[in-house]
Amino acid sequence: KQEVTQIPAALSVPEGENLVLNCSFTDSAIYNLQWFRQDPGKGLTSLLLIQSSQREQTSGRLNASLDKSSGRSTLYIAASQPGDSATYLCAAFSSNTGKLIFGQGTTLQVKP
Amino acid sequence: DAGVTQSPTHLIKTRGQHVTLRCSPISGHKSVSWYQQVLGQGPQFIFQYYEKEERGRGNFPDRFSARQFPNYSSELNVNALLLGDSALYLCASSRTSGRLSDTQYFGPGTRLTVL
Repeated sequence: KQEVTQIPAALSVPEGENLVLNCSFTDSAIYNLQWFRQDPGKGLTSLLLIQSSQREQTSGRLNASLDKSSGRSTLYIAASQPGDSATYLCAAFSSNTGKLIFGQGTTLQVKP
Repeated sequence: DAGVTQSPTHLIKTRGQHVTLRCSPISGHKSVSWYQQVLGQGPQFIFQYYEKEERGRGNFPDRFSARQFPNYSSELNVNALLLGDSALYLCASSRTSGRLSDTQYFGPGTRLTVL
């Protein structure tokens, strides 16, 4: 059974800091891994999708990496801004179950 | 283009009642998925529909049902509501093959409160 875990549950950093969010999954048989952003009480916005054959994806100040062998993905945010404050969720598409499994999310606060 | 839309935005029901939630996908998207997100947790997969057929079902009781219409919009129905059904219900659409591995575009959600 695929389980996705995100640590820490919450993170607070000063503006301008580079930071890394972690995501781990138990079943390496994933088709891809997606990172989403969720603002309070809102829906999810897709940030990056990494196919299982890829090592990383970049979009602007965001860079996501994937290491299937170790069951880990990281989301790197460069030069953080207060507008980056949100909950970040990772989700693994399991090749075995054909389902998208989400982690619990990391709530990020960037202080001005 | 308009994004995924959901209605209503908020809903308050009492235990035992029935509720219907609605979702309109992005134009051209044929796949719709439903998720339940309890406060403080990640979304849990409920259903996926593609071309009006059920393609996947999560671990939810039979009180939960859904359907997709010819225009690809979708309804999620929940019968005999329980307090534990209180959550944000999210709808997502995707572009092509209907595989959940395609990039999912989420709507703003419907906040359901069961009293």
